[in-house]
Amino acid sequence: ETGVTQSPTHLIKTRGQQVTLRCSSQSGHNTVSWYQQALGQGPQFIFQYYREEENGRGNFPPRFSGLQFPNYSSELNVNALELDDSALYLCASSLKAGGSGIGEKLFFGSGTQLSVL
Amino acid sequence: GENVEQHPSTLSVQEGDSAVIKCTYSDSASNYFPWYKQELGKGPQLIIDIRSNVGEKKDQRIAVTLNKTAKHFSLHITETQPEDSAVYFCAASGIYNQGGKLIFGQGTELSVKP
Repeated sequence: ETGVTQSPTHLIKTRGQQVTLRCSSQSGHNTVSWYQQALGQGPQFIFQYYREEENGRGNFPPRFSGLQFPNYSSELNVNALELDDSALYLCASSLKAGGSGIGEKLFFGSGTQLSVL
Repeated sequence: GENVEQHPSTLSVQEGDSAVIKCTYSDSASNYFPWYKQELGKGPQLIIDIRSNVGEKKDQRIAVTLNKTAKHFSLHITETQPEDSAVYFCAASGIYNQGGKLIFGQGTELSVKP
């Protein structure tokens, strides 16, 4: 088991609503990445936060946003929920020692299962 | 664009046999290749990884090989056990990608029959 914790574990929302997912990183880690995993597929990169700023972003619209706090925990916010947003949302923490962080080991939490009706 | 292809999508073996999962990647700048195991209801668990300056890495019953010229890498599990049953994902990162961005394959569902 990693030390990455996510809450809530399950969530049901209706189309058009907003949702906030939370993640606590593993002790000693300073970076948080968020991934979306649709049923039967591999995770897709949403974005990464380092030093409380977005450090990279995948092909997700601006209604997906995030925050990182001084204790390295993070939030993922999704506005104007759509049916296709239904997925498992995974948080991964890592230690970025400096530079681009190439090849940093990512440790995932168990995820938040979001259902949009 | 960036892409990782993974084969097979499902794999069934008898306990004690070996299992091999293969992946190819498109970004020639990729230099880090982790493998994850995901059990039902859990997040992906890092089981082994390899960097581009190494051709092979082994950890007990698990090994990974990398062919940078052909842009493919493979996971080898020997002496399989029922607890190895899970979905396995390969992934690739790259020097020009954002840090922390991994491109995942589609996954292989491994079933080890006792």
